[in-house]
Amino acid sequence: DAGITQSPRHKVTETGTPVTLRCHQTENHRYMYWYRQDPGHGLRLIHYSYGVKDTDKGEVSDGYSVSRSKTEDFLLTLESATSSQTSVYFCAIRGTGEIYGYTFGSGTRLTVV
Amino acid sequence: GDSVTQMEGPVTLSEEAFLTINCTYTATGYPSLFWYVQYPGEGLQLLLKATKADDKGSNKGFEATYRKETTSFHLEKGSVQVSDSAVYFCALPYSGNTGKLIFGQGTTLQVKP
Repeated sequence: DAGITQSPRHKVTETGTPVTLRCHQTENHRYMYWYRQDPGHGLRLIHYSYGVKDTDKGEVSDGYSVSRSKTEDFLLTLESATSSQTSVYFCAIRGTGEIYGYTFGSGTRLTVV
Repeated sequence: GDSVTQMEGPVTLSEEAFLTINCTYTATGYPSLFWYVQYPGEGLQLLLKATKADDKGSNKGFEATYRKETTSFHLEKGSVQVSDSAVYFCALPYSGNTGKLIFGQGTTLQVKP
């Protein structure tokens, strides 16, 4: 009912393999964000998007890339996964009205072994 | 740079106890301030906000007052319930009106019956 879904919900992958996480929204919101959540660090911004094909880096973008080819999908790719990228990844969306009223997805728990 | 600092957790309380979770911030000017809550297995949800100094945000029995003199936005609730067990995040916007949020590290609250 929240209009935002993340897939997969859980994934285990091996070091050095590429991984893509998907965020899908049905709200037609312009802004989308990828955060990672780690104990002691709270949430840290990886990348964000302010429109189709318009993306920018957050504070912890090294080792990650993103793509947004249509409004509803925002993909996060780990080109070559490392153990330090084991984390819970959250996607968030917001509209132009409530500038900081984010809606978050339920998260993807990624384990890199 | 701008930052948010929350009290260390976890906080363990008995049902009906009084709750305070401290949050202080460093920022240029007087940004809006937010509290988000994350229930187990879910993404974050906006709990309350305050948009200017001396504002009091409130929701679901929780309150927080924006105090510019002490650069604080402490979260309080007079009588907690077991269902309030969650992780609470204080947040403020990045400077420059970009719509990006900086989150504190989160404080885990456990309420025992």
